Amino acid sequence: GESVGLHLPTLSVQEGDNSIINCAYSNSASDYFIWYKQESGKGPQFIIDIRSNMDKRQGQRVTVLLNKTVKHLSLQIAATQPGDSAVYFCAENPPPGAQKLVFGQGTRLTINP
Amino acid sequence: EAGVTQFPSHSVIEKGQTVTLRCDPISGHDNLYWYRRVMGKEIKFLLHFVKESKQDESGMPNNRFLAERTGGTYSTLKVQPAELEDSGVYFCASSQDVRVGGYTFGSGTRLTVV
Repeated sequence: GESVGLHLPTLSVQEGDNSIINCAYSNSASDYFIWYKQESGKGPQFIIDIRSNMDKRQGQRVTVLLNKTVKHLSLQIAATQPGDSAVYFCAENPPPGAQKLVFGQGTRLTINP
Repeated sequence: EAGVTQFPSHSVIEKGQTVTLRCDPISGHDNLYWYRRVMGKEIKFLLHFVKESKQDESGMPNNRFLAERTGGTYSTLKVQPAELEDSGVYFCASSQDVRVGGYTFGSGTRLTVV
């Protein structure tokens, strides 16, 4: 399953399938990006980050892809599990040197058994 | 290591009343941030402290919101008087350097103004 970030804020996939969550960021000067996962009743939790000198970074079951040409981020989750159900936010750090993060709208991912 | 602690976890107040939210950051984190998520929308920046100083308060919606960070430790966010549109989840976060692993967030305070 795949979302288009701001325009499709919900995504449902079958357990075991792969999911792709997309995000369009706003500032071409941003050079550091983070994906967060927020479960109900909890604060956002860091999943994976990527710097602008990279196109791809892999973690455990997650991969982040960065396309600077079109200012686009994606989060791929492999072999989804029920515990992956949450709202996923992308965040950018603009401009270089600032300590602020700017968040996208978020995508709600639901894993169906 | 203790995480970022926020309280209360929930608050329901009437329009016109005052509410004070508290945040205890991770010990040693100089940077403390307040963010807000309203009506299921994006998480929006409110302000940023470096130790006890306000580094950036460009996201504070109006002068009904007052944030303080006593001695560079815990922080409070006061809303006075509260309006209906202030309802939402208020997150506090802290970091030593945001460009190394981002923030650590607290669980948030869900504020409902009725």
